[in-house]
Amino acid sequence: GAVVSQHPSWVICKSGTSVKIECRSLDFQATTMFWYRQFPKQSLMLMATSNEGSKATYEQGVEKDKFLINHASLTLSTLTVTSAHPEDSSFYICSATGLAGGRSYEQYFGPGTRLTVT
Amino acid sequence: DAKTTQPPSMDCAEGRAANLPCNHSTISGNEYVYWYRQIHSQGPQYIIHGLKNNETNEMASLIITEDRKSSTLILPHATLRDTAVYYCIVRVLGYGGSQGNLIFGKGTKLSVKP
Repeated sequence: GAVVSQHPSWVICKSGTSVKIECRSLDFQATTMFWYRQFPKQSLMLMATSNEGSKATYEQGVEKDKFLINHASLTLSTLTVTSAHPEDSSFYICSATGLAGGRSYEQYFGPGTRLTVT
Repeated sequence: DAKTTQPPSMDCAEGRAANLPCNHSTISGNEYVYWYRQIHSQGPQYIIHGLKNNETNEMASLIITEDRKSSTLILPHATLRDTAVYYCIVRVLGYGGSQGNLIFGKGTKLSVKP
């Protein structure tokens, strides 16, 4: 159990366009979802935390107007990279956690989305 | 910043046990030790976690020292598919949906060789 999917798995877009990445919890209700970014040969960096039905909380240095996060349901969160530029090229990974019997699930990760901006 | 220190890389022969160390000398009493791994170009995979007792599951064993300042992840019979970056993370685990964020350090790159 506790499967998280992401779509698309990879995307190439032109500079200035916007890209939407979806993150879904397939077999549990995700009360909280997290978005990470990973540049080549670096570790994962947390970008933002979103609770279902609430505004996302962004980490310091992450532009909330550029990285729009929507967590409208207990199984879906989306990350939209607006006006993408080559420096936004990265591996974007979501994770999700939820509740079962009053106890928190662990944080389970999606397979990641490779974004390349040309 | 990550609260853990791990060696940047390790090699292990296929079929042998892989022992990955982690130092977390500033761990608090309510912080758990978590291990994740990331195979190249994939999302991290949960392995195991513990508070103070040793833990074992189908993937690995976790040995935590009595003072909780360090731990060791043991893969009993490493295979080539275990080649990955292994992350040791300390975090608070709360009930009712509140959880401490996962702060990833640089991890240990484990290379399992035939």
